[in-house]
Amino acid sequence: GAVVSQHPSWVICKSGTSVKIECRSLDFQATTMFWYRQFPKQSLMLMATSNEGSKATYEQGVEKDKFLINHASLTLSTLTVTSAHPEDSSFYICSAASAWTYEQYFGPGTRLTVT
Amino acid sequence: KQEVTQIPAALSVPEGENLVLNCSFTDSAIYNLQWFRQDPGKGLTSLLLIQSSQREQTSGRLNASLDKSSGRSTLYIAASQPGDSATYLCAAMDSNYQLIWGAGTKLIIKP
Repeated sequence: GAVVSQHPSWVICKSGTSVKIECRSLDFQATTMFWYRQFPKQSLMLMATSNEGSKATYEQGVEKDKFLINHASLTLSTLTVTSAHPEDSSFYICSAASAWTYEQYFGPGTRLTVT
Repeated sequence: KQEVTQIPAALSVPEGENLVLNCSFTDSAIYNLQWFRQDPGKGLTSLLLIQSSQREQTSGRLNASLDKSSGRSTLYIAASQPGDSATYLCAAMDSNYQLIWGAGTKLIIKP
């Protein structure tokens, strides 16, 4: 149980375009989802906390207008990278939190390359 | 502010050896502590989760301990195998239910 999926697993886009990444909890309801990014050989950096039905809470230094997060249902959160630039190229990982244990279950990640 | 440190940053040992990875945290008010494994270019695999009220958890050749008073957790790997080569991350969940991450230990098991 506790499976989280992400789609797409990798994406290449041109500079200036927007990219949407989906995060789904497949077998449980997640009132809270988290979005992380990871640069090569570095640890995970929390970008934002997403709560179903409300606005996401962004970490300091993360542009909310650039990284749009929508938590439309208890099983789906989306991250849209708007007007992507090469420096947005990174590994984006989502997690979904169990409402009972607060344990986070992680998706397999999405590798974004902006050319 | 919670800070999580992992030592060593990298470790290379021969196959078959037992080894210990260390994780320390500055604020003992944690909800739980979790160990993950990450293979190059891949996502995270959860290995063990220790609730704040627990002292250790075991899964196969892995054993994780937690000492909140000293702010330390260790991951013990018995009889290491080349397939254990990966980066190991520890993360402490703070009172806001956010995970605070260590920088990881890159482990190489030499055949």
